[in-house]
Formats: sequence, structure tokens, C-alpha cells
Amino acid sequence: GAVVSQHPSRVICKSGTSVKIECRSLDFQATTMFWYRQFPKQSLMLMATSNEGSKATYEQGVEKDKFLINHASLTLSTLTVTSAHPEDSSFYICSASPGQGGYEQYFGPGTRLTVT
Amino acid sequence: AQKVTQAQTEISVVEKEDVTLDCVYETRDTTYYLFWYKQPPSGELVFLIRRNSFDEQNEISGRYSWNFQKSTSSFNFTITASQVVDSAVYFCALSDLSYNTDKLIFGTGTRLQVFP
Repeated sequence: GAVVSQHPSRVICKSGTSVKIECRSLDFQATTMFWYRQFPKQSLMLMATSNEGSKATYEQGVEKDKFLINHASLTLSTLTVTSAHPEDSSFYICSASPGQGGYEQYFGPGTRLTVT
Repeated sequence: AQKVTQAQTEISVVEKEDVTLDCVYETRDTTYYLFWYKQPPSGELVFLIRRNSFDEQNEISGRYSWNFQKSTSSFNFTITASQVVDSAVYFCALSDLSYNTDKLIFGTGTRLQVFP
């Protein structure tokens, strides 16, 4: 099956620093990649959708200057949490889709971010 | 509005019992896709099934089966002879094909605990 990797799996950073999370589709080209945030015992909250070579589309209420998304190639997207604060601590999950029009999304293993 | 409802927050069963996870959806689209994902304690979402709105045939895959009924807007998931390894949170999702976004709208998830 399709494999999506995410790095790092866990990161602890100090308040005010920036953290970059990478998402890679390993065995397929991802037309679209998605970034989610998940709070404990809650569902996934979509943050943004990114297509290779174009600007990401952010969901309402998500600060684009705080959560920078770059989709540099068909296999790599990055999420940078800038000037992180404790309230940014969460489980961040990326997914990748091999096509458009109702294709399934394949999810990465997630990144647990803790901001101290 | 597009919406997915998983009314069962938590279900506990004993091994070998059959269990059905309910999913009810709302959509204005005539073409849409439904999905089920499994999120084990490790956190990584695992794709289980994708069904398009024109295919109402039930699907069986090993101990898993899915019942799609457009008349009741439901896409229920049954695990037969449950096992401890089935313990996870299960999410039902609906595709949002508006604006070519291919977003997924997730339900709130059902936490299944299978006891030995």
C-alpha cells in the first residue's frame, strides 16, 4: 500500500522557536497533501491543503503566517510552526493523495509537538 | 452542509463478539465518496475502505464488512469475531469535492475497546 512518512515523530521545543515537520510520500506522487491537527481524544482538524507548486489553502481560523506550508515537490510537503507557543502543542498529521476527485488519503504516522 | 455523524463515542466488547460502528452522513453532492479509517494507539491512521456514491454493494474484507445504504445515508462498519488488535478509534469520512479541494470531512470517531 501507499506509504507516507513524517519526520520527526516527536519534538520538544522552547517557546518562541520554530519547528519544521516534513511529510513525504514514499512510493507515489502526491497531487495534494493535507495537514491536520488532532487534540487528545478528538477528531482530526484540517489545517490546510497544499498542491505542489502552489500556495496552500488554509482553513478558516488557521493563521497562515504561523503555520507555513511548503509543497516543493510531488513527494514532499513541510509544515513550519513559527514562534511556537505552548498552545501549539498538539499531534500534527499529514496525508497525501495520489489524485483528485475522491481519492483516498494516506496518512503519515504523525508528529507529537510539545512546546515548553 | 456536509457532515458526518458517528453517534457512538465508545464501544466495549469482549473478544469474538461482532460489533457494528455506525456512520450517518449529510451531503448535497450527488457524487461523493465515503471512507473508513482506523487509528490504533500508535496514532497513524490506516485506510480501510473507499466507496463511491454509485456503488451500494456491500463490501466484505476478511472479518470486516461495510453496509452502504443511500436511503438512510448510512455507511456502517461491522467487525465480525472481534480481536484485541481491533482496539482503536475508527473514523468515518466523507469527501468534499467542492472547489476541487478533495477535503475529507471526518466524524468524531468511535473508540472501540476489545477485551480478551
